[in-house]
Amino acid sequence: SQQGEEDPQALSIQEGENATMNCSYKTSINNLQWYRQNSGRGLVHLILIRSNEREKHSGRLRVTLDTSKKSSSLLITASRAADTASYFCATDVLKRSGAGSYQLTFGKGTKLSVIP
Amino acid sequence: DGGITQSPKYLFRKEGQNVTLSCEQNLNHDAMYWYRQDPGQGLRLIYYSQIVNDFQKGDIAEGYSVSREKKESFPLTVTSAQKNPTAFYLCASSAAGTGDYEQYFGPGTRLTVT
Repeated sequence: SQQGEEDPQALSIQEGENATMNCSYKTSINNLQWYRQNSGRGLVHLILIRSNEREKHSGRLRVTLDTSKKSSSLLITASRAADTASYFCATDVLKRSGAGSYQLTFGKGTKLSVIP
Repeated sequence: DGGITQSPKYLFRKEGQNVTLSCEQNLNHDAMYWYRQDPGQGLRLIYYSQIVNDFQKGDIAEGYSVSREKKESFPLTVTSAQKNPTAFYLCASSAAGTGDYEQYFGPGTRLTVT
């Protein structure tokens, strides 16, 4: 099963509205990252939030992290048609015992459509 | 112009043939990764390398092989043992392989095996 699960699977909004996507995970993490993927392209890093942080901002993006609930949310304010993409959360998971062996595990993503 | 490149963008092969996907980075990153993405799915880790001449299996390594002879290159071979090789393959790199660095992704290679 996935470490990270995004919700909803798909979201359709009008341009100018806010978009909120959620991510839940199962095991303890050191940090959580959000990525964006345009159709048929590679992923682009948006923001990293560490386990001791509760909220982080970057431009029109706001990410929150609640480690007690094992959940994170990504808010995109004043959405634009160009924000249409899939958004993935990724958590670091221990792959091999020993230092430096944490790797990212990605959820299945939320597909966001912003209608002009 | 720093970045990570993958070639080719599209690749077509007949069943039973091995095929090698190229991944090159000029970011001077120590860590490199190969992921597989199926339609409507997230990314699944195939192999990763934290340093030259070292690599580790990810979650779905069966039917794949890699090498890391140079820091900037991490080619992936899809062998005939891979049962369902048709997928979108993404290569990524990061400054270090500790999970708390952002990963930079290439544009991907879409492999179709018939």
